[in-house]
Amino acid sequence: SQTIHQWPATLVQPVGSPLSLECTVEGTSNPNLYWYRQAAGRGLQLLFYSVGIGQISSEVPQNLSASRPQDRQFILSSKKLLLSDSGFYLCAWSVQGLAQYFGPGTRLLVL
Amino acid sequence: QQQVKQSPQSLIVQKGGISIINCAYENTAFDYFPWYQQFPGKGPALLIAIRPDVSEKKEGRFTISFNKSAKQFSLHIMDSQPGDSATYFCASLDTGRRALTFGSGTRLQVQP
Repeated sequence: SQTIHQWPATLVQPVGSPLSLECTVEGTSNPNLYWYRQAAGRGLQLLFYSVGIGQISSEVPQNLSASRPQDRQFILSSKKLLLSDSGFYLCAWSVQGLAQYFGPGTRLLVL
Repeated sequence: QQQVKQSPQSLIVQKGGISIINCAYENTAFDYFPWYQQFPGKGPALLIAIRPDVSEKKEGRFTISFNKSAKQFSLHIMDSQPGDSATYFCASLDTGRRALTFGSGTRLQVQP
């Protein structure tokens, strides 16, 4: 069966510091991968999606970037965090682009 | 064009009652409509989904009703239980963009 991992689970970072969040998927090949952000009490906002290694589509202009160095690995990064980057970051995968399955999330607090 | 409007924002239902959450979309390119259940501090879990070629889909106590002409769809939770208390999100997928657009969520409380 397929599983999706995210780490870390929780992260507290100072403003201006770099960020690296990692997501890996097991049990499937060539998945579509997604990064979403969820503000407290709000819906999910799509940040990036990838249909293959090195293929990244950005949905929202911001100081975040994404990379897909391996088929089942998706990384969300920032060179300098802003206060507004705080939130719950969720990675998701899908096959054939329909049903998306979410990971456990990373709660990021920027102080 | 990308918006999905969800209502109500919050809902309180007695145990054994029916919970109904509604969503409306604008983009006619949407062709896949999932519902997600999210518990506090957890990632959303796919609950049930429907394609626009059918008007209803039922899985256990959960039913999606879909009205293509009105561009509306709804989730019905029959015999609601306290364990159903969670936040529910509708979503719509534009398969051309491969991206889900989410509603704003409904916080459901089922009282024992």
